[in-house]
Amino acid sequence: DAMVIQNPRYQVTQFGKPVTLSCSQTLNHNVMYWYQQKSSQAPKLLFHYYDKDFNNEADTPDNFQSRRPNTSFCFLDIRSPGLGDAAMYLCATSREGTGTNEKLFFGSGTQLSVL
Amino acid sequence: GESVGLHLPTLSVQEGDNSIINCAYSNSASDYFIWYKQESGKGPQFIIDIRSNMDKRQGQRVTVLLNKTVKHLSLQIAATQPGDSAVYFCAENTGYSTLTFGKGTMLLVSP
Repeated sequence: DAMVIQNPRYQVTQFGKPVTLSCSQTLNHNVMYWYQQKSSQAPKLLFHYYDKDFNNEADTPDNFQSRRPNTSFCFLDIRSPGLGDAAMYLCATSREGTGTNEKLFFGSGTQLSVL
Repeated sequence: GESVGLHLPTLSVQEGDNSIINCAYSNSASDYFIWYKQESGKGPQFIIDIRSNMDKRQGQRVTVLLNKTVKHLSLQIAATQPGDSAVYFCAENTGYSTLTFGKGTMLLVSP
């Protein structure tokens, strides 16, 4: 039944070691998003893809990159994780942009720990 | 900058009570608002949404009220149950594909 699937559920990486988080969707939605959520805080948008078009938020660090090889999959790459990057990373999808009153469907998230 | 925020970080209620969670927003151009529920260790789950051309919308046990004059949004949960315990976020559409979340309110329901 899961429509937005994130793997792995928990990820541990070392300081400075590149890490990739995965997201897949079965909804055939056009838009895929990556949010970062730190403990007791609101989700913060990092970037999103509308189809193949990448849209980066102005304050997203260059350390964060994303790839969307096809409609179903989207990856979050952290090139050199720092201790401050430890967080829950949430993937979400929407059929169209939220400006058209489309709601987001979230995955269960990947909890990233940086040692 | 403009943002969405919540008045109360934690709300404690008894089972069966009605709960009201409030949210203030500052972007007068926002035209779409959503309430999400997030249980511990899970992703946010859609509860209810409302467009700016409405002032009230009802779902199953939930009602969202929008007061554009004072830029205020509220979520009312009727007959609150222990399973309603979670963090609740309001979110506003601030761009074509940009949903901005408020800080969140933790709802604790006691049996």
